[in-house]
Amino acid sequence: NAGVTQTPKFQVLKTGQSMTLQCAQDMNHNSMYWYRQDPGMGLRLIYYSASEGTTDKGEVPNGYNVSRLNKREFSLRLESAAPSQTSVYFCASSERRDTQKQFFGPGTRLTVL
Amino acid sequence: EDKVVQSPLSLVVHEGDTVTLNCSYEVTNFRSLLWYKQEKKAPTFLFMLTSSGIEKKSGRLSSILDKKELFSILNITATQTGDSAIYLCAVVFSGSARQLTFGSGTQLTVLP
Repeated sequence: NAGVTQTPKFQVLKTGQSMTLQCAQDMNHNSMYWYRQDPGMGLRLIYYSASEGTTDKGEVPNGYNVSRLNKREFSLRLESAAPSQTSVYFCASSERRDTQKQFFGPGTRLTVL
Repeated sequence: EDKVVQSPLSLVVHEGDTVTLNCSYEVTNFRSLLWYKQEKKAPTFLFMLTSSGIEKKSGRLSSILDKKELFSILNITATQTGDSAIYLCAVVFSGSARQLTFGSGTQLTVLP
């Protein structure tokens, strides 16, 4: 099992460009999450999907959209990137019965110039 | 506002030392507290604590929760260079079982 995978690993964007971060999990988990991690601030939840077909806002959703494509895949889209979105983005997943224990992907390091 | 505070922010020790990392929280309707270890990339799960006073143990790592005083500690005995990492504490409140509120982490460096 690969667990949680993310693409790309690194990305540099110019202000105003758009891009989609991809996430997939092969653990048959129902719930998936997107976090961002900034220096000195821990991880903050952007959006989550409790199950296929549902998405909800987390702590810092502004400037982002998400799509739960199917049970395996959960993508995060930046429509018009801003320098404040420079961060490391982590995707995570968890089982329905144990949503607290989340498994994380390797992260995407995004720089917006 | 729910808040999770970890201390110290960073710590440098030598191999063989014992360390104690702290996590305090102000969360309404507490449900559980989790510890993660983050090396270069993804955070990896260490412990989940829900009951006060019950120690969770895995090898040289152990953790305990005090729900009355609203804190948890993570102990690492006989530290090794491979223990060097950021240790993250996260709290779940009953309002939303899916939302982990993270602290900013403790950067532990173990020197040979």
